[in-house]
Amino acid sequence: GESVGLHLPTLSVQEGDNSIINCAYSNSASDYFIWYKQESGKGPQFIIDIRSNMDKRQGQRVTVLLNKTVKHLSLQIAATQPGDSAVYFCAEMEPRSQGNLIFGKGTKLSVKP
Amino acid sequence: KAGVTQTPRYLIKTRGQQVTLSCSPISGHRSVSWYQQTPGQGLQFLFEYFSETQRNKGNFPGRFSGRQFSNSRSEMNVSTLELGDSALYLCASSLNAGNTDTQYFGPGTRLTVL
Repeated sequence: GESVGLHLPTLSVQEGDNSIINCAYSNSASDYFIWYKQESGKGPQFIIDIRSNMDKRQGQRVTVLLNKTVKHLSLQIAATQPGDSAVYFCAEMEPRSQGNLIFGKGTKLSVKP
Repeated sequence: KAGVTQTPRYLIKTRGQQVTLSCSPISGHRSVSWYQQTPGQGLQFLFEYFSETQRNKGNFPGRFSGRQFSNSRSEMNVSTLELGDSALYLCASSLNAGNTDTQYFGPGTRLTVL
């Protein structure tokens, strides 16, 4: 498959455990944040988003936490499954931005059966 | 509803040539953004189109250009190809421009420049 990044931070977890993927974003003015999952050979797939007026948002098996004080985002995946293995990117968007998402470098999640 | 489609999926060109990539957004989506993904630089924004107008542009040379048609389909063109242009080119569509709507990505076009 395609490599989406050299020397990516890697998180290795056991199937069934919870995963936490962290991201430091760059612009304190950013007000919209998204987590994407990218599997080999595919484009990024939307997982969950959060706006800056919230500090937590939950989806199905996923939770995003936003700490604006330290410009930090995290993605928590409950009961991690082999199908969760992928590269995860956080992305930020500034207010009044015209469609310009700024992506982090990504974290590779590897799930051991 | 069909997702974002990109054609072609794979392309091989030589230095100095030009290339045109195509993106069809999700039905009803009016905004299309283009990104370049490389192992070294990650995902970088190229430009965004809404209602046939370029609304924003990233830090890429003028060799990279694009356009959007009245049916919201978009094309990007790269002229005078360089080896460093080898990358995965992704387009993403959203309902509207700006940060009000989530962007959904296509599978990308893998461009190799020899």
